[in-house]
Formats: sequence, C-alpha cells, structure tokens
Amino acid sequence: GENVEQHPSTLSVQEGDSAVIKCTYSDSASNYFPWYKQELGKGPQLIIDIRSNVGEKKDQRIAVTLNKTAKHFSLHITETQPEDSAVYFCAASRNYGQNFVFGPGTRLSVLP
Amino acid sequence: DGGITQSPKYLFRKEGQNVTLSCEQNLNHDAMYWYRQDPGQGLRLIYYSQIVNDFQKGDIAEGYSVSREKKESFPLTVTSAQKNPTAFYLCASSKDRDASYEQYFGPGTRLTVT
Repeated sequence: GENVEQHPSTLSVQEGDSAVIKCTYSDSASNYFPWYKQELGKGPQLIIDIRSNVGEKKDQRIAVTLNKTAKHFSLHITETQPEDSAVYFCAASRNYGQNFVFGPGTRLSVLP
Repeated sequence: DGGITQSPKYLFRKEGQNVTLSCEQNLNHDAMYWYRQDPGQGLRLIYYSQIVNDFQKGDIAEGYSVSREKKESFPLTVTSAQKNPTAFYLCASSKDRDASYEQYFGPGTRLTVT
C-alpha cells in the first residue's frame, strides 16, 4: 500500500522567511496530492492541492511542486506570518481523492 | 452555514463502555470518512462510505463500527473492543467517489476513555 513520509517534523522560521516542507510517497499510481493546515483543536483545512498532470501550482504565498519521477512533492510558504503557525499534513491518493494516506505532519512555528 | 458538524467536542467515557460519535454534513456530499488522529501521527482511516447503506473498512477498523442510513449522517461507534480508544476523531466528506474532489473535515471530537 501507499506510504507517505514527511520532513521535517518541526520547523521554526522567522517571520518573513520562507518555509519548505517535503513529502515522499511510495505508490507510483497516486495522482492527487493535497496539503492540509490544522490549527490547535480544529479539523484540517485544505490549503492547496496538486494533481499528477501538473508540476507546480501557486496560490498567493503558497506553492506546491511535484516530482513524479522521484515521487516527492513539497509545500513552499513565502513571506511567513505568525498566523501560518500550525501543523501541516501532506497526503496522497489514487483516484483523485479517494482514501488519502496522510504524512505524519510538520509543526511550523513562525517567530515574530 | 454549510459544513460538517461533529458533536460533542469533548467526550469522556469509562473503559468498557461503547460510545457513539456524531457526524452530520449539509454539503450534499456522497462520500464520508472517519479518521483517527494520535499525537505525532498522521490521520489514519477508520471507515469510509461512498454511498448510503454502504461502507468499507479503512486501515484501522478493528473495534469500531459505523452506519450510513442517511446521506447526511455517518455516526461512528467506538466499542469496548477498541484497545486504545483515547484519540482525536475527525469526520470528513467529499462530493463524489469518482471525481477529483477534496475532503472537507469537521472540527473533531476528542474522546478520553479512563
């Protein structure tokens, strides 16, 4: 089955700096890769996603890149702000959204 | 407001008791999911349902049961057979099993069993 690894487990950056979180997956048939942000005591919220037919996607300060050959994808957050502090999860699935396999999460702290 | 509601937010039970967690959605989504979240781990799939009156086991279904009698509702029962029931439980839904739609999550229920 699919296995998703995520690094780093914790990340601290200064406000205004960039943050990068990387995930690798094992199943070459996976074709949908969402990123979720989870604030303390709340459910995860989708912040960006990418499909296997696209190499990069950007939404304001957030971008995701996908390397299908290497089976890894990354989340890039530029100009970080304190409200970006949260736990971020990557996930992978076949069939565009069925049965996600989640990474273990990255706790991002943006220091003012 | 459209969305997914889970109740209660916090739940406390004694060991040996069954407990049912509620999940309701008014998004008209076909598919619904239950995940378990433990500290330092990603979300793990317990059960999912792609259509009313049908559901499938996920990766960690042992000790749990579900029903899907209505499109809007997907309650999860944590039975006394679940060895480590204390966790944060998340319900999610997505529009269609065959289309590329994201999963929307509810706010979660934190279950503590002592």
